[in-house]
Amino acid sequence: DGGITQSPKYLFRKEGQNVTLSCEQNLNHDAMYWYRQDPGQGLRLIYYSQIVNDFQKGDIAEGYSVSREKKESFPLTVTSAQKNPTAFYLCASRQGEDSGNTIYFGEGSWLTVV
Amino acid sequence: AQSVTQLDSQVPVFEEAPVELRCNYSSSVSVYLFWYVQYPNQGLQLLLKYLSGSTLVKGINGFEAEFNKSQTSFHLRKPSVHISDTAEYFCAVISYSSASKIIFGSGTRLSIRP
Repeated sequence: DGGITQSPKYLFRKEGQNVTLSCEQNLNHDAMYWYRQDPGQGLRLIYYSQIVNDFQKGDIAEGYSVSREKKESFPLTVTSAQKNPTAFYLCASRQGEDSGNTIYFGEGSWLTVV
Repeated sequence: AQSVTQLDSQVPVFEEAPVELRCNYSSSVSVYLFWYVQYPNQGLQLLLKYLSGSTLVKGINGFEAEFNKSQTSFHLRKPSVHISDTAEYFCAVISYSSASKIIFGSGTRLSIRP
């Protein structure tokens, strides 16, 4: 089945640690996105990438970093500079314009600081 | 600049009653419109989308939405809700001119009462 796989589902981070959330897609989409969702809130864009080896900051990029070395993969690193990282993180990819631009989401990853 | 407004943060409805979740957008160019559903601790799932053509769009789980260009609205409706429809619903917009920029509404929490 085609889709987006995020791992791990639950992750605990100690103060001062960097952690990396994995996002893999087999939909052959060029564009990929990372969103943060706090409880009871909407989605806020962290980073997005429209093509391999290129990415742009979203609205809340501070304290996060990404890479896009392969079309299928768009990992997100939450660095120690992110002061309040506890949240639900969602990865998404987007169809091309000729296919309707539909966005598909992974199942999300919960990050908790302990 | 584009924006999406979901007019109701919470909508309580009795089971088997009809429901309408409202979404208005602002954009100076033509747009693609989407509705997504999010169940607790899960990613977002596409309910339906409007790309072009007929303004009445039918989606999964018995939902439908109508695109109204003059009122810049894309309201979601269901004639008879079920307990399993309890979830968060998000409206989203992508403009023809900038497909990389996806704008999400703040979400509407639909709670179904037995």
